[in-house]
Amino acid sequence: DAKTTQPNSMESNEEEPVHLPCNHSTISGTDYIHWYRQLPSQGPEYVIHGLTSNVNNRMASLAIAEDRKSSTLILHRATLRDAAVYYCILRESGSGGSNYKLTFGKGTLLTVNP
Amino acid sequence: NAGVTQTPKFQVLKTGQSMTLQCAQDMNHEYMSWYRQDPGMGLRLIHYSVGAGITDQGEVPNGYNVSRSTTEDFPLRLLSAAPSQTSVYFCASSRNRVGSYNEQFFGPGTRLTVL
Repeated sequence: DAKTTQPNSMESNEEEPVHLPCNHSTISGTDYIHWYRQLPSQGPEYVIHGLTSNVNNRMASLAIAEDRKSSTLILHRATLRDAAVYYCILRESGSGGSNYKLTFGKGTLLTVNP
Repeated sequence: NAGVTQTPKFQVLKTGQSMTLQCAQDMNHEYMSWYRQDPGMGLRLIHYSVGAGITDQGEVPNGYNVSRSTTEDFPLRLLSAAPSQTSVYFCASSRNRVGSYNEQFFGPGTRLTVL
């Protein structure tokens, strides 16, 4: 799997937007970009995924660079409950569930200040 | 749905003891997997299964055995515990829908200490 690079930590203030960057310069054309997050003392949970186009869901938005070598997870209004480690993961997705083998890096620890 | 459940939540073993970490899911997911997470690290894949009766090794399989006799259950066995196996263990499951995204659902984890 292609490698991703994320900052070790970021800080944000409550109710402000947060932009979490991820670099993946060796991404291949068939790699999906996944984001998971892990709240303290919990298992990871899915946040969002995308291939080429920007994506929105109820939790976040994913902005993907035109050359796909980087992406940004956007939390529109951070809350204290968003404090977690955020993982950016690349995984080739073929016809079937190849997403089941995810390779987690160290992620970005997001601190949200009240 | 209860989702992915893991038992026990906490366990302390002595070196050389054996034990089984239990994982169950009630979502009829085909895929199940075990990860371990060491302090300050991301998760590493231990073993995975693509369906009942089928298992395969992940990144760090040594010292662990798995079996998948039913769709719902995927136990992880430590044959002879070692201090290096002190970690937090997460079980995960996902669907296998062709042409769809199959997000992984994770359990709450089992914190294992080997003395």
